[in-house]
Amino acid sequence: GAGVSQSPRYKVTKRGQDVALRCDPISGHVSLYWYRQALGQGPEFLTYFNYEAQQDKSGLPNDRFSAERPEGSISTLTIQRTEQRDSAMYRCASSERADRGSEQYFGPGTRLTVT
Amino acid sequence: GEDVEQSLFLSVREGDSSVINCTYTDSSSTYLYWYKQEPGAGLQLLTYIFSNMDMKQDQRLTVLLNKKDKHLSLRIADTQTGDSAIYFCAENLYNAGNMLTFGGGTRLMVKP
Repeated sequence: GAGVSQSPRYKVTKRGQDVALRCDPISGHVSLYWYRQALGQGPEFLTYFNYEAQQDKSGLPNDRFSAERPEGSISTLTIQRTEQRDSAMYRCASSERADRGSEQYFGPGTRLTVT
Repeated sequence: GEDVEQSLFLSVREGDSSVINCTYTDSSSTYLYWYKQEPGAGLQLLTYIFSNMDMKQDQRLTVLLNKKDKHLSLRIADTQTGDSAIYFCAENLYNAGNMLTFGGGTRLMVKP
């Protein structure tokens, strides 16, 4: 079956612009996670959802970052007034269940470059 | 605190065994994972171990967990050139839902 998909795969934007990154999880998966990965580092947690409810947004760096999953399926991560330090790979994952230990399957990521 | 550490680089010859190490500092970890990242691809889940286990074997992969030393390792038997990638260990803390904390990754290079 289809895995997690993300779009766009690559996004170049100018500083100060807003960007929206999309994640389409595996069909039927309850939980959806956003991570950010800087070059040469491991992914860092941003936020996650169970169904449409945002459970934890402690990893969002500041209030320019927001995420939603209004119908419990597709999610959008929005970054307002982008800055160069926002440049990174943004990864989305989904898991079948909400409980601890439910395996997370990752999408290919969106590489964001802010110039 | 939550800190997961890995060595940066490992080089082995094809056919040898590879051992990738990871240390973590939070004793409340419940699940520990190994992911593989190839260029241009997403993170692929390889295997995981629950914190009440010492060892888990899955074909060429063996995971060892030493809770006393907070040390996790991944052994790849008969390493192949297709195993060249970056390997990440990740922990799921007891009080953190299903959120994962990743190490910085170990780049494995397999020489023919």
